[in-house]
Amino acid sequence: KQEVTQIPAALSVPEGENLVLNCSFTDSAIYNLQWFRQDPGKGLTSLLLIQSSQREQTSGRLNASLDKSSGRSTLYIAASQPGDSATYLCAVRGGERGGADGLTFGKGTHLIIQP
Amino acid sequence: EPEVTQTPSHQVTQMGQEVILRCVPISNHLYFYWYRQILGQKVEFLVSFYNNEISEKSEIFDDQFSVERPDGSNFTLKIRSTKLEDSAMYFCATPAANEKLFFGSGTQLSVL
Repeated sequence: KQEVTQIPAALSVPEGENLVLNCSFTDSAIYNLQWFRQDPGKGLTSLLLIQSSQREQTSGRLNASLDKSSGRSTLYIAASQPGDSATYLCAVRGGERGGADGLTFGKGTHLIIQP
Repeated sequence: EPEVTQTPSHQVTQMGQEVILRCVPISNHLYFYWYRQILGQKVEFLVSFYNNEISEKSEIFDDQFSVERPDGSNFTLKIRSTKLEDSAMYFCATPAANEKLFFGSGTQLSVL
């Protein structure tokens, strides 16, 4: 059974710093990996999706990497801003049936950017 | 990007009652998912629904749960006899062409 772990559980940094969020998964046979953002009481917003054949994806100040063989992904946030404060979730989709599989989520990293 | 609207935003019900949660995609989609998030816990997959049939379901999705697309547009999750432990935020989601998953804003279900 796939397990997804995110470290750290919480992080508080001053505005402007670069930071890295970590995600690990136990079964490397994944189809893709997504990073989501969740604001309090709201739904999830997909930030980046990395296919199993890819090594990284970038969107603006966000960069996500994937090392499938070691079961790890990182989300790099450059020049953090107070508006980046949210919970960041990592989720993987299993490899056997591709789009039919549900996502397995980590518990998330609660990020606070201090103004 | 697909948009997903969920109703109601909050639902309070008594234990043992039936509830129906609704999801309305703005654009025409064939794939839908239901997830739930118990307060303070991980988001959990419940069921995937493709072309009017259940594609896959988790061990959480027992006989108390059902999904359907009654009118070809709305997509519903029914819980037949709610239990206290069903209290959670329930999310509907649908994939975009690039496979990113788009979530609705959720229905907060409180079972008393």
